[in-house]
Amino acid sequence: NAGVTQTPKFRVLKTGQSMTLLCAQDMNHEYMYWYRQDPGMGLRLIHYSVGEGTTAKGEVPDGYNVSRLKKQNFLLGLESAAPSQTSVYFCASTQGLSSGEQYFGPGTRLTVT
Amino acid sequence: GNSVTQMEGPVTLSEEAFLTINCTYTATGYPSLFWYVQYPGEGLQLLLKATKADDKGSNKGFEATYRKETTSFHLEKGSVQVSDSAVYFCATRGVNTGFQKLVFGTGTRLLVSP
Repeated sequence: NAGVTQTPKFRVLKTGQSMTLLCAQDMNHEYMYWYRQDPGMGLRLIHYSVGEGTTAKGEVPDGYNVSRLKKQNFLLGLESAAPSQTSVYFCASTQGLSSGEQYFGPGTRLTVT
Repeated sequence: GNSVTQMEGPVTLSEEAFLTINCTYTATGYPSLFWYVQYPGEGLQLLLKATKADDKGSNKGFEATYRKETTSFHLEKGSVQVSDSAVYFCATRGVNTGFQKLVFGTGTRLLVSP
């Protein structure tokens, strides 16, 4: 049972390049999330999904797109990377409304130059 | 919407010292409250939680009590260890939200020296 995994762990992009971050969970969770973590700002929700085939915007969605074609995977895309997207990205998942606990992946450190 | 405010760090302590990290919340109703911990190079993991007023969450020697009258959920530990060095996040979720959305504080870094 691997929990939540993220690929890649590190990446350096040039401005304007595109990339996709992959999140996978093996806990059969319904809900999945993408956050970004920046110094002094805590975690901010980018996009989330309440089930396979659904996605919705969080508080900082601009410049990102997501897809959830399979229940276990949640992809975060950057179509045209900008230096402001330099951050650490975390994926998380949870089963439902009762426990409140979200399970986090180890993070992807992205640098855009 | 709901929000949490936690003390800025870093908090620097010697081993076996007493720890308090303050967290206050602003919310409609009585939301669940959480403390998450992030060890270096890792993702966040749930440390403890409380779902109603006067509840005390506890884990690994850490405790926090949900205090409605002061809208607080301060994290405490009686004797910290070097291995407790990490970033601690207070979080809340709303009542009657349609999905599991958490709102995090900015995090407090704890540094424990031998």
